[in-house]
Amino acid sequence: SQQGEEDPQALSIQEGENATMNCSYKTSINNLQWYRQNSGRGLVHLILIRSNEREKHSGRLRVTLDTSKKSSSLLITASRAADTASYFCATVKGSNYKLTFGKGTLLTVNP
Amino acid sequence: NAGVMQNPRHLVRRRGQEARLRCSPMKGHSHVYWYRQLPEEGLKFMVYLQKENIIDESGMPKERFSAEFPKEGPSILRIQQVVRGDSAAYFCASSFRDTDGDGYTFGSGTRLTVV
Repeated sequence: SQQGEEDPQALSIQEGENATMNCSYKTSINNLQWYRQNSGRGLVHLILIRSNEREKHSGRLRVTLDTSKKSSSLLITASRAADTASYFCATVKGSNYKLTFGKGTLLTVNP
Repeated sequence: NAGVMQNPRHLVRRRGQEARLRCSPMKGHSHVYWYRQLPEEGLKFMVYLQKENIIDESGMPKERFSAEFPKEGPSILRIQQVVRGDSAAYFCASSFRDTDGDGYTFGSGTRLTVV
């Protein structure tokens, strides 16, 4: 069964606005990662947050993790048209190497 | 310093044919993982290989699918007697070491269409 579930399924915003995507999961995890996938392309790793971390930043990205609620959020600030893509969260349990992906959020940033 | 290379990028096969997907890991990486992405879905783990060894094939369908990572050359994902339901994007990732998911690098994928 899917470990990560992203919310919303689709999000459309104007350039310059902030975009927030959420991910919920079911079991305890070692880490949670966010990936971007442009249409028809491969996956680009954005950021990894470990279970003992609550927040991480990378450029215009901010990721939070709430292990008590089993949820994570990805915030993209000052969005650009080039941010248009699908965003996936993926979880890892224990020391397992397997990534378990959600179905993704399709973000459209309108110029 | 190329990343993970997958070929072909697109592959069309008729039902009943064989599909061979290739993955060359990043230089220095000896761990390879294959994932499958069905339309409108997230990626699902298929198999984890090290050189000449299958470590975990728990995500592989029991029939028609096989994978190898020989001592020399790329990793190969082989699908025999393809069916329409095999149409998907197949992604390969590699890592330098046994990893808890950190340090993965994904390739651009092979999009298989079965007609």
